[in-house]
Amino acid sequence: GQQVMQIPQYQHVQEGEDFTTYCNSSTTLSNIQWYKQRPGGHPVFLIQLVKSGEVKKQKRLTFQFGEAKKNSSLHITATQTTDVGTYFCAGINTGFQKLVFGTGTRLLVSP
Amino acid sequence: DAMVIQNPRYQVTQFGKPVTLSCSQTLNHNVMYWYQQKSSQAPKLLFHYYDKDFNNEADTPDNFQSRRPNTSFCFLDIRSPGLGDAAMYLCATSRGGTGLTSSYEQYFGPGTRLTVT
Repeated sequence: GQQVMQIPQYQHVQEGEDFTTYCNSSTTLSNIQWYKQRPGGHPVFLIQLVKSGEVKKQKRLTFQFGEAKKNSSLHITATQTTDVGTYFCAGINTGFQKLVFGTGTRLLVSP
Repeated sequence: DAMVIQNPRYQVTQFGKPVTLSCSQTLNHNVMYWYQQKSSQAPKLLFHYYDKDFNNEADTPDNFQSRRPNTSFCFLDIRSPGLGDAAMYLCATSRGGTGLTSSYEQYFGPGTRLTVT
């Protein structure tokens, strides 16, 4: 079945450092979404990418969808302690109403 | 505010004793999902409803059942909980649809943490 892997599994940074998580799917995706889950919380939708090569920014967060629509990345510039949590990518294929979640990257930010 | 509500937030049940978790939504979304999430793992989809159409994942144990009596409510029944079923259970919704009006963004409830003793 379809698999979506993320690396790294875990990263610990100092506040102000940059952070990047990479997402790779075993199959081509129609769309990819990113979610953030704070410790003890539930996943919260961040963004959806649809087009090949698409790049979207949300303040300090930059999201990219690969040209082949099989990979994606999330880059956070100058991390803050509020960025702590697990970041999941989730792939979807048109016509299917379900997401395939990536394995997640847990981010810890020290002040 | 429109939202996804899960009750209870914490549930303790005994090994083998049936338990029901509930989810309600005020978003009027077509699709409702149930996920199981264990510590340090990604959410694992158990099943979803598109309106009244039930879609089971191939690897969801028969021990897990679901009901959606109307658009707003969805229930997860665990017929005979085992120790391995202890987890966070997340309900989510999405508008669904096809073509230009489709939306796959999922809105999650706060979850129900199930403990099996």
